[in-house]
Amino acid sequence: SYVLTQPPSASVAPGQTARITCGGNNIGSKSVHWYQQKPGQAPVLVVYADSDRPSGIPERFSGSNSGNTATLTISRVEAGDEADYSCQVWDNSVDHPVFGGGTKLTVL
Amino acid sequence: QVQLVQSGAEVKKPGASVKVSCKASGYTFSNYYIHWVRQAPGQGLEWMGMINPTGGSTTYAQKFQGRVTMTRDTSTSTVYMESSSLKSEDTAVYYCARDHFGMGSYYYWGQGTLVTVSS
Repeated sequence: SYVLTQPPSASVAPGQTARITCGGNNIGSKSVHWYQQKPGQAPVLVVYADSDRPSGIPERFSGSNSGNTATLTISRVEAGDEADYSCQVWDNSVDHPVFGGGTKLTVL
Repeated sequence: QVQLVQSGAEVKKPGASVKVSCKASGYTFSNYYIHWVRQAPGQGLEWMGMINPTGGSTTYAQKFQGRVTMTRDTSTSTVYMESSSLKSEDTAVYYCARDHFGMGSYYYWGQGTLVTVSS
């Protein structure tokens, strides 16, 4: 089945830009969703359909998707952005969703 | 407002079964599939399956077929996930979740139910 690959960890200084990648075979042809998850909490959808933001999600969160890589970009990173970030797509070949392994973002 | 409220934490012995509930409110129950996603300690999210509240049809991830059963009670707008023959590897937080934008993402989540399997 379809596999999504994320780096296990990433780090960024406050005020800088974080970029978290999600790799998959021709992922650019799929709709990618991103979740933020803080310890002990349920995931929160921060980007859906590659680059759309649910209401209440800051404009600092943006997404892009092309070729074999989708990217979640967090601009002007704040301490409160420290969390695990996971990507997700719908695998039409088996008609169910697939999640990436998650990336732990550390704000230095 | 849409809410998915799950049952409380469970501790089970290996080989036992567990049944977790997810009560939906704030929307028309029959209009949206409910999905179950679990997360083992320190691990990523794993999709288990989904149920169509209209008619009760189910689809399970291959890994869970034969060991997980999802049902619903339309009179109480509640979905259930029962897992049998539990192993220590089934220790995880179990979430119910629902789409909103029609794009296959999960906008609404339950608060999660910790199931601990230990002898």
